Amino acid sequence: AQKVTQAQTEISVVEKEDVTLDCVYETRDTTYYLFWYKQPPSGELVFLIRRNSFDEQNEISGRYSWNFQKSTSSFNFTITASQVVDSAVYFCALSRDMRFGAGTRLTVKP
Amino acid sequence: DTAVSQTPKYLVTQMGNDKSIKCEQNLGHDTMYWYKQDSKKFLKIMFSYNNKELIINETVPNRFSPKSPDKAHLNLHINSLELGDSAVYFCASSQDLQGVTDTQYFGPGTRLTVL
Repeated sequence: AQKVTQAQTEISVVEKEDVTLDCVYETRDTTYYLFWYKQPPSGELVFLIRRNSFDEQNEISGRYSWNFQKSTSSFNFTITASQVVDSAVYFCALSRDMRFGAGTRLTVKP
Repeated sequence: DTAVSQTPKYLVTQMGNDKSIKCEQNLGHDTMYWYKQDSKKFLKIMFSYNNKELIINETVPNRFSPKSPDKAHLNLHINSLELGDSAVYFCASSQDLQGVTDTQYFGPGTRLTVL
């Protein structure tokens, strides 16, 4: 069975702080994808990144970076110099069955 | 152009009624999904259809029935609505890559309120 754990239910930071959102997964598949989605207060689900299980290179996109470590079954997400607009619920997900974690609510205060 | 669209955006109805939510995608994807997001933001997959065939059918009451008239549409029909059905329902689509789910693109969601 596939499982995704986001142990941090809520995180609150002050603007410009760095913040890391944790994601730990379980799967017996050798080929799989991991995803991060953002759900801002407006409610839509916004795709952020997809990572193939064979590609363990870290990814950076602007202030966002992702650290994929197969050895610890983790796919963590870091926001550098956080901004108020980063306030949202962030979901980690795992294919094949698209299991979503419970989400981490990030609040960035001015 | 909206990639994945859902109608209606809001749905308020009485217990016991039957209602439908429509979903359409114009991305040319082979697979479509329905998710339920409860008040605690927990997202749970309900159904998955690939080329009009049911692939995933999670433990969902049989009052919920998905209908896929063609590859671009996946509608959700709910019979005998109950208070616990109140939630946001998201439709999504993806292109399967050799049986492994590719990136899913979500619709804007339908907020269902059962009174």
